[in-house]
Amino acid sequence: DGGITQSPKYLFRKEGQNVTLSCEQNLNHDAMYWYRQDPGQGLRLIYYSQIVNDFQKGDIAEGYSVSREKKESFPLTVTSAQKNPTAFYLCASSASYSNQPQHFGDGTRLSIL
Amino acid sequence: GENVGLHLPTLSVQEGDNSIINCAYSNSASDYFIWYKQESGKGPQFIIDIRSNMDKRQGQRVTVLLNKTVKHLSLQIAATQPGDSAVYFCAENWRWAGGTSYGKLTFGQGTILTVHP
Repeated sequence: DGGITQSPKYLFRKEGQNVTLSCEQNLNHDAMYWYRQDPGQGLRLIYYSQIVNDFQKGDIAEGYSVSREKKESFPLTVTSAQKNPTAFYLCASSASYSNQPQHFGDGTRLSIL
Repeated sequence: GENVGLHLPTLSVQEGDNSIINCAYSNSASDYFIWYKQESGKGPQFIIDIRSNMDKRQGQRVTVLLNKTVKHLSLQIAATQPGDSAVYFCAENWRWAGGTSYGKLTFGQGTILTVHP
């Protein structure tokens, strides 16, 4: 089945620790995205990548980092600089960057220990 | 049942009724709109999209209406079923006026749809 796989489903972070969330897609999509969702709210864009080896900051990039070394993979690192990391993190991809539906994974829920 | 705006984020209907979920978007230059359904603990699921050169688009049991004059989008679900219970989000694709499409999707707050058997 084609789709987007996020792992792990649940993740716990200790104080001062960096954690990395995985996102893999086998849809052959060029563009990939990371969103953060807080309870009762919509999605906010963290980072996006239009193509391999390129990525751009979204609206709330501070405290996060990404890489896009392979077309199918777009991992997100939540660094210790992100002081309020508890949230539901969603990865998405689309065939191209503009005017195409984004398809989402089932998310990673990150909590602080 | 009808939701009259984002200040009423909850909509309750009876099974078999038609549901209408409304969304006010912010950018008059946005040229592409999407409706998503999100069930608890899962990622948003694509339902239907519409481009700004259209007023209406139909899918299976769903219809999206776009009124560019008042920057309003609605999702109509026919014969609503308990499995339709979820949070529904609209998203707009921002386009800089006079320029190339920016590609950023901006999501609304969401509306909780509850379908009672």
